[in-house]
Amino acid sequence: NAGVMQNPRHLVRRRGQEARLRCSPMKGHSHVYWYRQLPEEGLKFMVYLQKENIIDESGMPKERFSAEFPKEGPSILRIQQVVRGDSAAYFCASSLLAGTNEKLFFGSGTQLSVL
Amino acid sequence: TQLLEQSPQFLSIQEGENLTVYCNSSSVFSSLQWYRQEPGEGPVLLVTVVTGGEVKKLKRLTFQFGDARKDSSLHITAAQPGDTGLYLCAGGGGNKLVFGAGTILRVKS
Repeated sequence: NAGVMQNPRHLVRRRGQEARLRCSPMKGHSHVYWYRQLPEEGLKFMVYLQKENIIDESGMPKERFSAEFPKEGPSILRIQQVVRGDSAAYFCASSLLAGTNEKLFFGSGTQLSVL
Repeated sequence: TQLLEQSPQFLSIQEGENLTVYCNSSSVFSSLQWYRQEPGEGPVLLVTVVTGGEVKKLKRLTFQFGDARKDSSLHITAAQPGDTGLYLCAGGGGNKLVFGAGTILRVKS
């Protein structure tokens, strides 16, 4: 299956710990997006990356959150010192090209639970 | 800030019934997309509408983009239990989609 792969599917952390969420885009895709979904809310854009570059991080909290998409390996969304409000489903998407009507392919998400 | 409001929030119907869900905004969008999301999974793109007044059909699903490109609707004919899911509309340019909160559809057999 060459779809967008996210792991882990479920992640439990205690307050103050770090959470690392991984995303491998579809084969050949070099554009990666991270979205967060809270219960009964739509997905909220967090960050858009291309290989080795952050293109748009306007939706990402200024503190504790960071993202990278290295030349080799998956994209990583990192949340330091997690708090209960970080509990959510985090979805990664990828696209072949950039552009308004470019089709996004979403992964199955990582459900983060902060105790 | 562009916002998309979806209605109704929740819809429960019997198999075979027809339904329409709406996606509205006060902003103009260059395009709107409709996604379907099942529990524990990511959204899957159903359709993209680009031109004002455009109508697209996908089997029993009919999508319409308003003339002013501020709203869209999704009509399902003869709903089936397999149509159950969360339907999301999304719009916006470039690489930063704005999503509505979604309509949860439940089709009972």
